[in-house]
Amino acid sequence: EAQVTQNPRYLITVTGKKLTVTCSQNMNHEYMSWYRQDPGLGLRQIYYSMNVEATDKGDVPEGYKVSRKEKRNFPLILESPSPNQTSLYFCASSQKGGNTEAFFGQGTRLTVV
Amino acid sequence: GEDVEQSLFLSVREGDSSVINCTYTDSSSTYLYWYKQEPGAGLQLLTYIFSNMDMKQDQRLTVLLNKKDKHLSLRIADTQTGDSAIYFCAERPQTGANNLFFGTGTRLTVIP
Repeated sequence: EAQVTQNPRYLITVTGKKLTVTCSQNMNHEYMSWYRQDPGLGLRQIYYSMNVEATDKGDVPEGYKVSRKEKRNFPLILESPSPNQTSLYFCASSQKGGNTEAFFGQGTRLTVV
Repeated sequence: GEDVEQSLFLSVREGDSSVINCTYTDSSSTYLYWYKQEPGAGLQLLTYIFSNMDMKQDQRLTVLLNKKDKHLSLRIADTQTGDSAIYFCAERPQTGANNLFFGTGTRLTVIP
């Protein structure tokens, strides 16, 4: 089954404790991205990747890092989480170019206390 | 990023039509999308329209695009309780690879 898998689904952590949210897709997609969803703000893009070893900042990259060492994986790293990073996070993937559907993971609800 | 705006809430009675509206700013958008988010789930693509089209119909869904006014709408005919969800419009600019810019989302509540 074609899917984007994020882990964990729920996470509560403390300020400053490094964490990683994993994202994996099994569709051989070149393009992957991370979004955060906040009430009244919709989805805002954090980082995206056009292919292996090619990442770029989205609209709200501050406080986040990503890596793309393999095509299927695109982890989101919070080196020193802060309460304003409490949010619902989505990973998405799609083929590059043309009108390609973006497939979304189930989301990771992160709370930073 | 681009500005994509939607109203936050819409309530309709079961069996009526729902119309969800969206405005965007990037006149070079190539594709415009409607995504549905059910509670506790990710986003699923409902439908899309290419920027050189005015209308697209897919069963109960009708998408209207007014490119001059940069206005997109989604009409759901015979709305059912299962249509209750958050609906996001998104645009894909001509530049920026596969990047999508999303609206704030409209929470549709269907009243039985």
